[in-house]
Amino acid sequence: NAGVTQTPKFRVLKTGQSMTLLCAQDMNHEYMYWYRQDPGMGLRLIHYSVGEGTTAKGEVPDGYNVSRLKKQNFLLGLESAAPSQTSVYFCASRSGPLGPYEQYFGPGTRLTVT
Amino acid sequence: AQTVTQSQPEMSVQEAETVTLSCTYDTSESNYYLFWYKQPPSRQMILVIRQEAYKQQNATENRFSVNFQKAAKSFSLKISDSQLGDTAMYFCAFTIGGSQGNLIFGKGTKLSVKP
Repeated sequence: NAGVTQTPKFRVLKTGQSMTLLCAQDMNHEYMYWYRQDPGMGLRLIHYSVGEGTTAKGEVPDGYNVSRLKKQNFLLGLESAAPSQTSVYFCASRSGPLGPYEQYFGPGTRLTVT
Repeated sequence: AQTVTQSQPEMSVQEAETVTLSCTYDTSESNYYLFWYKQPPSRQMILVIRQEAYKQQNATENRFSVNFQKAAKSFSLKISDSQLGDTAMYFCAFTIGGSQGNLIFGKGTKLSVKP
C-alpha cells in the first residue's frame, strides 16, 4: 500500500517550458487536491477534484490545468512555466464527502523555474 | 473569509520538556474539523492529531494533545516529553464538514528541539 505518490520528485524548467506532475493514490479515495507551498505561506489550494472526470479551481489556479481521467490519478499541468511557479507541489487525497476528513499527502515535488 | 493564524513563527524547547504551539481560526460554520500536521525536513506532511468541532473532549495521541476552545476559536497543540525527532514545521489546518474538503492552513510554526 503506497498511499499517495508523486512523480517527479524534483524538476528544473526554463521559463516557457511545459510539464505535467502526476499524482497517484491507491486508497480508492474520491477526493484529490493539488497544493503549492511557498516559504512563509503555508499550503495553498491550486485545484481539486471530487470524482473521476470532475475538477474545480482552488485559491491559486492561474497558470495551471488539471485532469482526472482515472479515479486514482490526478494530473497537474503547467503549460508555460513562469519563475513565480517555483514552489513545492503537494498532492493529497481524502476518502469522500462523508469523511473521514483528514487528507493524506504525497512526498511533494520541488519545481524550480529559471 | 476562513483563516488560520499561527502567531509563533519559530519556537524552541529542550529535549524532554513540554511545549505548546498556538493556533486560532476563523469560520462562521459550525461543522468543521481541525488538524495539526507535522512537516519534518524530509518534507513529508504527516497528520499528528485531529479534532471534531462537535466533540467537547480534547483529542490526544500519545505525547500529543490539543486544547480546543471552540468559543475562542483556539486550537493549540501540546507536545509532552519533547524528542529530537519532533523537530519540524507544524501546521494547523481546518476543513468544513460536508464541503469539497480543502484544508485551510496556517503559515506554520518551526519547532526546534534542543538536546
